[in-house]
Amino acid sequence: DVKVTQSSRYLVKRTGEKVFLECVQDMDHENMFWYRQDPGLGLRLIYFSYDVKMKEKGDIPEGYSVSREKKERFSLILESASTNQTSMYLCASSLSEGRSSQPQHFGDGTRLSIL
Amino acid sequence: DAKTTQPPSMDCAEGRAANLPCNHSTISGNEYVYWYRQIHSQGPQYIIHGLKNNETNEMASLIITEDRKSSTLILPHATLRDTAVYYCIVKWAAGNKLTFGGGTRVLVKP
Repeated sequence: DVKVTQSSRYLVKRTGEKVFLECVQDMDHENMFWYRQDPGLGLRLIYFSYDVKMKEKGDIPEGYSVSREKKERFSLILESASTNQTSMYLCASSLSEGRSSQPQHFGDGTRLSIL
Repeated sequence: DAKTTQPPSMDCAEGRAANLPCNHSTISGNEYVYWYRQIHSQGPQYIIHGLKNNETNEMASLIITEDRKSSTLILPHATLRDTAVYYCIVKWAAGNKLTFGGGTRVLVKP
């Protein structure tokens, strides 16, 4: 089975802090994604990466950055946390889209609260 | 990506089959139908996907109409652990992001 592991289930940080969210997948997937999920707004894509050291902006990249130094690990960074970044953060991974229609597989999420 | 329409909620008796409908009348020829579910406070779980043929795996079956404008997810023997929000998504194979709509909130009752 595909395993996508997010480093924390719950996290509480203060406004202005730099926050790191880590995600690791064990299935040698090329693609990795960071989403946030908010009530009434559904799932929104922040960033994605289709290879090591490669990254692409999603729909809401402002206030975030990412790092992918190794194939299995994709980190989301909140440069200076703000209260409007309180949310559920979800990491996903998938095989390359070149290999047919591979689905994305998700971790259990990190519920981040910014005080 | 094409828009999907699902009923907001449905109940199902434990041990019975649950049939979850989804309309996607604007689907294009290269778009796949994906189903995910999300149990409260967990990440979305992939269930199944298909293009035009019916598909079955250990979790569920996916029935896609011949004109591809609608589909049905079938959970053959619903258990209490199947209580979740189920999302039907239509996406290009080459597309990068998943877009979840409102989904169907399924409650499996004893």
